[in-house]
Amino acid sequence: EVQLVDSGGGLVQPGGSLRLSCEASGFTFSSYWMHWVRQVPGKGPVWVSRIKYDGTYTNYADSVKGRFTISRDNAKNTLYLQMNSLRDEDTAVYYCAREGAGYTFDYWGQGTLVTVSS
Amino acid sequence: DIQMTQSPSSLSASVGDRVTITCRTSQDINIYLAWYQQKPGKVPKLLISAASTLQSGVPSRFSGSGSGTNFTLTITSLQPEDVATYYCQKSITFGPGTKVDIK
Repeated sequence: EVQLVDSGGGLVQPGGSLRLSCEASGFTFSSYWMHWVRQVPGKGPVWVSRIKYDGTYTNYADSVKGRFTISRDNAKNTLYLQMNSLRDEDTAVYYCAREGAGYTFDYWGQGTLVTVSS
Repeated sequence: DIQMTQSPSSLSASVGDRVTITCRTSQDINIYLAWYQQKPGKVPKLLISAASTLQSGVPSRFSGSGSGTNFTLTITSLQPEDVATYYCQKSITFGPGTKVDIK
């Protein structure tokens, strides 16, 4: 059974940092592109970042470029999102998601809440 | 960047009704559109890929159609457990969502 378990969220002050993790199981993690998607409660999902299966390619939404870094450790079946210089508008539930056929998000983590507030 | 619109933004229908949600894109995307269901407090779930391919385990009352710039998600007989917000998606872009309630 495919499972993605998100962790690392919490309350952080503006300008602070946080590192999210997503532990994968039930599939060959090193064969899949992986993504981070965030969602403000009551709003739609918004794509944040993606990373190639071998970690050699990444890209980011303009809103987080230069502040967030996606990475992965295929030996540990874990995806990461390092978030620096956090802003109020980064407050959201963050989900990791597996990219399926045809650029879909076929499996999602349960989400981890990031709250940026003073 | 692709722009996506959905209509209606919300609807209320009776159990057993046929429900249709439309997604329009700003450029031709062939059939590369997916639909997701997000129940209150839950994680988005992939329902349909490639415009009309139902994912395993999704009830057959759900169907998708369309190509190019116009797409449709249909629920042939609305059930109470279908109360959710439905999103269309193409690559990194999600539509704004359609909230479905029971009348």
